[in-house]
Amino acid sequence: GIQVEQSPPDLILQEGANSTLRCNFSDSVNNLQWFHQNPWGQLINLFYIPSGTKQNGRLSATTVATERYSLLYISSSQTTDSGVYFCAVGYSGAGSYQLTFGKGTKLSVIP
Amino acid sequence: DTAVSQTPKYLVTQMGNDKSIKCEQNLGHDTMYWYKQDSKKFLKIMFSYNNKELIINETVPNRFSPKSPDKAHLNLHINSLELGDSAVYFCASSRGLAAYEQYFGPGTRLTVT
Repeated sequence: GIQVEQSPPDLILQEGANSTLRCNFSDSVNNLQWFHQNPWGQLINLFYIPSGTKQNGRLSATTVATERYSLLYISSSQTTDSGVYFCAVGYSGAGSYQLTFGKGTKLSVIP
Repeated sequence: DTAVSQTPKYLVTQMGNDKSIKCEQNLGHDTMYWYKQDSKKFLKIMFSYNNKELIINETVPNRFSPKSPDKAHLNLHINSLELGDSAVYFCASSRGLAAYEQYFGPGTRLTVT
């Protein structure tokens, strides 16, 4: 199956700092999503981005499908950004279906 | 309006019992999923139903049985609960299978004592 590696596994930031989270995947995908799991356990959709670049406020994401990686940028981090960020990839084709989550990046933003 | 809902939110039960978790989505999606999140936060897919048909069935003990009465509902029944079943179970839905954006429910924290 598709392997997904996220880095770094842990990240501590001072409030106001910027960061880049990375997701590498081992095979072709036609679905890639970034999620934020907040401290209350909710999984919040950030981006559906199988390719290209998207921006939403202080967050942006880029996926380069041909090179099998995606990046999540967080600018001017706030304490509410704390939590775990997951990359999830999916493949659907020729009767085969795979859905895999990475192990996540745990982000702690300190005031 | 809640898009994907699960009940109950918390479930505490003893080893050997049988329990069910219910999931409903009001997004009009054709595909629903069950995921298990373990104590290390690792999320792993268990099952996927597309138009009420079981499509993905990962290596899960047969004590776990999903049931989809219609496209909007996917329930998870667990027989003979074991300590290792303690986890958070998430339901999700999407417009189609694997290649489409998934939306997750709030999760059900199952504790087996």
